[in-house]
Amino acid sequence: EPEVTQTPSHQVTQMGQEVILRCVPISNHLYFYWYRQILGQKVEFLVSFYNNEISEKSEIFDDQFSVERPDGSNFTLKIRSTKLEDSAMYFCASSIHRGLTGELFFGEGSRLTVL
Amino acid sequence: AQTVTQSQPEMSVQEAETVTLSCTYDTSESDYYLFWYKQPPSRQMILVIRQEAYKQQNATENRFSVNFQKAAKSFSLKISDSQLGDAAMYFCAYRSGDSNYQLIWGAGTKLIIKP
Repeated sequence: EPEVTQTPSHQVTQMGQEVILRCVPISNHLYFYWYRQILGQKVEFLVSFYNNEISEKSEIFDDQFSVERPDGSNFTLKIRSTKLEDSAMYFCASSIHRGLTGELFFGEGSRLTVL
Repeated sequence: AQTVTQSQPEMSVQEAETVTLSCTYDTSESDYYLFWYKQPPSRQMILVIRQEAYKQQNATENRFSVNFQKAAKSFSLKISDSQLGDAAMYFCAYRSGDSNYQLIWGAGTKLIIKP
């Protein structure tokens, strides 16, 4: 069964460093998402992406964050200068359709620890 | 702003018995969608069941069913004949009818199945 895969599963970085989290969505999916979950808190929406551009983003997704689909298979989340509060589990998801018919398929998550 | 509340951080149930997980939400919208996602340990979140707010009939998926009370803004999940494989974190999520992408999440309920 096709799955969304994420790498790395865990990354430790120093504050101020750039981090790239990678995701390989399901191959025929067209919509891509990033969510995050800070330890002990709720899952939060970051951004959605379709047709090589951002469709929707939350207030969390500020100028420190960027997404791209560089090669037609990977979907990456970049954090330019990490802060302590960026420590969280980051979930990538994809869907074939938009809206309710577009069931989201999630990856297992990438845990980011900022020291 | 919409919020989703899961008041039970943890629930346990004997194998083969029935358990109900609670979810309430707050919204001023009339058009929205509700979801239950399951996250087994170290695995990705998967969609369990979804409900369109405009539908009066409660959604069912095999052993999983919901009790959707629109006026009370309640969306509970009932798991019948609980199995060991049902052990997971269960997340309730809300999506606005206007937003095609952003899910708003509850804090989750950890379900423990006792053999």
